[in-house]
Amino acid sequence: GENVEQHPSTLSVQEGDSAVIKCTYSDSASNYFPWYKQELGKRPQLIIDIRSNVGEKKDQRIAVTLNKTAKHFSLHITETQPEDSAVYFCAASMGGGADGLTFGKGTHLIIQP
Amino acid sequence: DAGITQSPRYKITETGRQVTLMCHQTWSHSYMFWYRQDLGHGLRLIYYSAAADITDKGEVPDGYVVSRSKTENFPLTLESATRSQTSVYFCASSDGLNTEAFFGQGTRLTVV
Repeated sequence: GENVEQHPSTLSVQEGDSAVIKCTYSDSASNYFPWYKQELGKRPQLIIDIRSNVGEKKDQRIAVTLNKTAKHFSLHITETQPEDSAVYFCAASMGGGADGLTFGKGTHLIIQP
Repeated sequence: DAGITQSPRYKITETGRQVTLMCHQTWSHSYMFWYRQDLGHGLRLIYYSAAADITDKGEVPDGYVVSRSKTENFPLTLESATRSQTSVYFCASSDGLNTEAFFGQGTRLTVV
């Protein structure tokens, strides 16, 4: 089955700086890569996703890049704000998400004031 | 209310008991999923369903049973609860391929 590795497990950045979280996946058949944000005690919520036919996608301060050859994808958050503090999960799916997602173990992002 | 809801929000049960976690969605999404979340493991897929009466195993299905007689409901049953099943359980739904999965608010289950 699919295996997703996520790094780092904890990331502390100064408010206003950029944050980058990286994930690798094992199965080259994976074709859907979402990122979820989970605040303490809350449910995971999608912040951005990318399909295998696209190399980069941007939504305001958030961007995701995908390198299918190297089987890795990354989340970039620019101009970080206190409300960006949360746990972020990357995920991958071979069936476009229809057969469920394989998640990384998460990155705790801490925004220092 | 529209959306995806889980019940109960919190449950304490004893080892060996059967317990059922409920999940209900009002969007008529075809796909539904059960995940468990444990510290250090992220979210792991237990079971998923592509439509009513169609279910399939995920990464960690042992000790769990699901059913889907109606599109909107996807209950998860622990047949004989064990302490290792203490976890936060999330139900999710989506309407197709390459689309967002919406999560319920979670059920925190403690097996004592």
